[in-house]
Amino acid sequence: GAVVSQHPSRVICKSGTSVKIECRSLDFQATTMFWYRQFPKQSLMLMATSNEGSKATYEQGVEKDKFLINHASLTLSTLTVTSAHPEDSSFYICSARRAPNQPQHFGDGTRLSIL
Amino acid sequence: SQQGEEDPQALSIQEGENATMNCSYKTSINNLQWYRQNSGRGLVHLILIRSNEREKHSGRLRVTLDTSKKSSSLLITASRAADTASYFCATDAREYGNKLVFGAGTILRVKS
Repeated sequence: GAVVSQHPSRVICKSGTSVKIECRSLDFQATTMFWYRQFPKQSLMLMATSNEGSKATYEQGVEKDKFLINHASLTLSTLTVTSAHPEDSSFYICSARRAPNQPQHFGDGTRLSIL
Repeated sequence: SQQGEEDPQALSIQEGENATMNCSYKTSINNLQWYRQNSGRGLVHLILIRSNEREKHSGRLRVTLDTSKKSSSLLITASRAADTASYFCATDAREYGNKLVFGAGTILRVKS
């Protein structure tokens, strides 16, 4: 199998709070992990690509200082939404991939609600 | 403009019927992948078809790829209520940095 665990599944917090989301590949080593954002009834929008041991590559329009990504090991990547505001409320999904030209395996997503 | 576009946007069928979803894309690809997403959940990988393949099967799923037309289709045979979900195609293309680019998705509803 290829299981990706994402935690937490839901976060509700006050504006100004920083929120950390974890993404773990449980039974395989992921050379690359991806972070997506999904708005209601829309497709996935890639935010950044994360390779173990190196800096994340952010997509155009995604603020690096706002969305901090760390990929410290082959099984763990974290996304920290810093000083979150209501407009950051969304569904965030991570995925992990063993190697290029292989399928991506997705976590169950994190529903972030900023009050 | 999107790399992948899907049609129909929504599809409603009776249990037992077949469901066909189509995906078109613009550039040469390394592979094309189909995913399913249940409401409020992550995506589940269904099938990956490489650019040199024309058809793949997995259980009740059949995926075809026509690189000359830059299109793919996903067929779900003998559909079940549990197949109700959103289905996305995603292309892996060198032109897009070997990152997956997702289509807008097809919302499938299977009525029992």
